[in-house]
Amino acid sequence: AQSVTQLGSHVSVSEGALVLLRCNYSSSVPPYLFWYVQYPNQGLQLLLKYTSAATLVKGINGFEAEFKKSETSFHLTKPSAHMSDAAEYFCAVSDPSYYGGSQGNLIFGKGTKLSVKP
Amino acid sequence: NAGVTQTPKFQVLKTGQSMTLQCAQDMNHNSMYWYRQDPGMGLRLIYYSASEGTTDKGEVPNGYNVSRLNKREFSLRLESAAPSQTSVYFCASSAIGSYNSPLHFGNGTRLTVT
Repeated sequence: AQSVTQLGSHVSVSEGALVLLRCNYSSSVPPYLFWYVQYPNQGLQLLLKYTSAATLVKGINGFEAEFKKSETSFHLTKPSAHMSDAAEYFCAVSDPSYYGGSQGNLIFGKGTKLSVKP
Repeated sequence: NAGVTQTPKFQVLKTGQSMTLQCAQDMNHNSMYWYRQDPGMGLRLIYYSASEGTTDKGEVPNGYNVSRLNKREFSLRLESAAPSQTSVYFCASSAIGSYNSPLHFGNGTRLTVT
């Protein structure tokens, strides 16, 4: 099965600064990739997903991610951080061989907590 | 629009007690999932139900059972709770399957086993 590595369990940026959250996956075949965000005491919600249509994917709240096959990466960026971006972010990869083929097969990274300083 | 509703929000159990976590979705989704979230571990799949009438084990099924009661409801049962089951439990649903469609999550059940 594939794996997902998120570099940095905690990232702190100043308001207005660039946000860069790193995600690398292990696969020789381009997978489907996702970024989810979790605000305190809430469930996860989808930020964006890569499904091979375009390497640069735009999501909600000004976030975007670029799929780089050569680097097996899918880093999440936002040009200017806002206080409301403080949350935990999860990268996830789909793997048809992970428990049931096409169903229930998202493998999540361990998450990166983003703090935004005023 | 409720989405995915989980009950209860919080629960404290003693070792050996049993309980059922309830989950219901109103989006007419076919697939439903139970995950657990532990600090520094991300989310791990416990069980899933690809469609009404089917259930399958995920990555960490030991100590749990599930029931897909109908298309809307998917419950998770702990028969004999253990401290290792202290966690936050999330129910999720998707239209087709997470490979092709995003997961919609509930707000979680925070379970402590003493």
